[in-house]
Amino acid sequence: GQQVMQIPQYQHVQEGEDFTTYCNSSTTLSNIQWYKQRPGGHPVFLIQLVKSGEVKKQKRLTFQFGEAKKNSSLHITATQTTDVGTYFCGGNTGNQFYFGTGTSLTVIP
Amino acid sequence: EPEVTQTPSHQVTQMGQEVILRCVPISNHLYFYWYRQILGQKVEFLVSFYNNEISEKSEIFDDQFSVERPDGSNFTLKIRSTKLEDSAMYFCASSSLEGNQPQHFGDGTRLSIL
Repeated sequence: GQQVMQIPQYQHVQEGEDFTTYCNSSTTLSNIQWYKQRPGGHPVFLIQLVKSGEVKKQKRLTFQFGEAKKNSSLHITATQTTDVGTYFCGGNTGNQFYFGTGTSLTVIP
Repeated sequence: EPEVTQTPSHQVTQMGQEVILRCVPISNHLYFYWYRQILGQKVEFLVSFYNNEISEKSEIFDDQFSVERPDGSNFTLKIRSTKLEDSAMYFCASSSLEGNQPQHFGDGTRLSIL
């Protein structure tokens, strides 16, 4: 069945270091969305990418959608303690939305 | 900013009992979702709902589960005979359109089955 995997599962970085999480789908996605879930919180929508090869930036966050629309990445430049949380990618195949396995980011002050 | 609200925040139920989780989606949204997140794991899709019927459901959403929109504002998830493995956080979400629109999540209901 459809799978959306993310690596790494966990990442510890020193504050100020960069961070990247990679998202890979077993099938082509019509879109990719990224969500952030703080510890004890609910997923919060960050961004959506629709076009093949699309790149979007939000301040220190850079999101990319692969050419084949099967993979995506989120890169955070110069992490801050407020970046702590789990980052989930997700996308649609047909009418069903599939979340990725998530990458849990810890930022050490 | 409009929010999705879920009640209760925490539900403790004996195994085998029925439980109903409640959600009030954002008022002008048309698509509603339920997700489950077992502690420390990923968010899993359960079901999507549009125009008063299920539009998609996952393998997890078996005959023990049902959803309903009993009035113009509430969206409920019922688990008929709960099992220990149903213990999880259950998130409701809504969106204005399906697919290419962001989903807005509620704070979740933590369901604990004893």
